Amino acid sequence: GAGVSQSPSNKVTEKGKDVELRCDPISGHTALYWYRQSLGQGLEFLIYFQGNSAPDKSGLPSDRFSAERTGGSVSTLTIQRTQQEDSAVYLCASSLGLVGEQFFGPGTRLTVL
Amino acid sequence: GQQLNQSPQSMFIQEGEDVSMNCTSSSIFNTWLWYKQDPGEGPVLLIALYKAGELTSNGRLTAQFGITRKDSFLNISASIPSDVGIYFCAGPGSGSNYKLTFGKGTLLTVNP
Repeated sequence: GAGVSQSPSNKVTEKGKDVELRCDPISGHTALYWYRQSLGQGLEFLIYFQGNSAPDKSGLPSDRFSAERTGGSVSTLTIQRTQQEDSAVYLCASSLGLVGEQFFGPGTRLTVL
Repeated sequence: GQQLNQSPQSMFIQEGEDVSMNCTSSSIFNTWLWYKQDPGEGPVLLIALYKAGELTSNGRLTAQFGITRKDSFLNISASIPSDVGIYFCAGPGSGSNYKLTFGKGTLLTVNP
């Protein structure tokens, strides 16, 4: 079956522009996660969705970052007024429920000029 | 917040050699996970450890959950070129079963 997919694979934008990153989780996975990976760093948790529960947004670095999950499936991570320090690889993962193994997508590499 | 200190940062070895990397934490973890990330891909889970003292193998990989619950190591035996990649330790943070904290990774290069 298909794994987690993300689009676009690469995004180059100018400082101050808004960007939207998309994640398609594995079908049937109720939990979805967004992480950020900066150069030479480990993954940093951003946000977590589980079913119809309120998302855990505790990892979002600023109010310029937001995410939605529509219909319990596809998720979009939006970064408004992008800054150069937002440049990173944004990874999405999904899992079966709360404590299942997290399966990662290939990521979106964001470059803010 | 919780931090994971992973070492070494990078390793350059010859094919056939064994390699060891480890992770330490300032606080107790109830689960230790080891991931591998290939270039342009997301991390893939290699081994999961759920019990202090647990020693688990997956092919040429062996990982242990430290008795103190504050450390873990990963060994790779008889390395091959496809072992190249970044290896991360990770674990769920305090008060959370899902919010993973990651180490900064060990970049492994295997010279054929």
